[in-house]
Amino acid sequence: NAGVTQTPKFRVLKTGQSMTLLCAQDMNHEYMYWYRQDPGMGLRLIHYSVGEGTTAKGEVPDGYNVSRLKKQNFLLGLESAAPSQTSVYFCASSKDGGGNTEAFFGQGTRLTVV
Amino acid sequence: AQRVTQPEKLLSVFKGAPVELKCNYSYSGSPELFWYVQYSRQRLQLLLRHISRESIKGFTADLNKGETSFHLKKPFAQEEDSAMYYCALKGGSEKLVFGKGTKLTVNP
Repeated sequence: NAGVTQTPKFRVLKTGQSMTLLCAQDMNHEYMYWYRQDPGMGLRLIHYSVGEGTTAKGEVPDGYNVSRLKKQNFLLGLESAAPSQTSVYFCASSKDGGGNTEAFFGQGTRLTVV
Repeated sequence: AQRVTQPEKLLSVFKGAPVELKCNYSYSGSPELFWYVQYSRQRLQLLLRHISRESIKGFTADLNKGETSFHLKKPFAQEEDSAMYYCALKGGSEKLVFGKGTKLTVNP
């Protein structure tokens, strides 16, 4: 059981380049989230989805876009990367929005923008 | 608005000492609170959820609605407890919001 898998694990981009991070979950979860983790800032929510075909903005959505065309996949796009987007990105999924619901995390993607 | 505050970035204790990681929240409704932990080179994982009122790895956390707190406690810290700890809140919306985290170091 793979759980939540993020692709790629590492990436170096030049300023202005674009890329897409893929998050895949095999638990049939409805909810999916993208976070960024920065030193001293904790985990900040970028975008999230409550089901296939839906997306919503989190705390820090600027500079990112997302898509949830298939229930198992949640894509995070950077159209024009900036050094400020250097971070570790985590994807998570949960069964639903209930109070007892555990979120399962991917292993993270370390992105460096130079 | 949902907000989670963890006032301590770093916390260092000796093995066998009690440990308390503080978490305060801001939310007008009934919150759902969690503690997640990230051990070195591992992915984030759930430690506790307030609704379950459970003790995991010797850790407990009680929701205090009057003080809007959900502090994590353990009476006798172990070296393997060294990790990054995040308090998280789900406030009735779909969003799961995290605090900035506290890095716990348990010294031998």
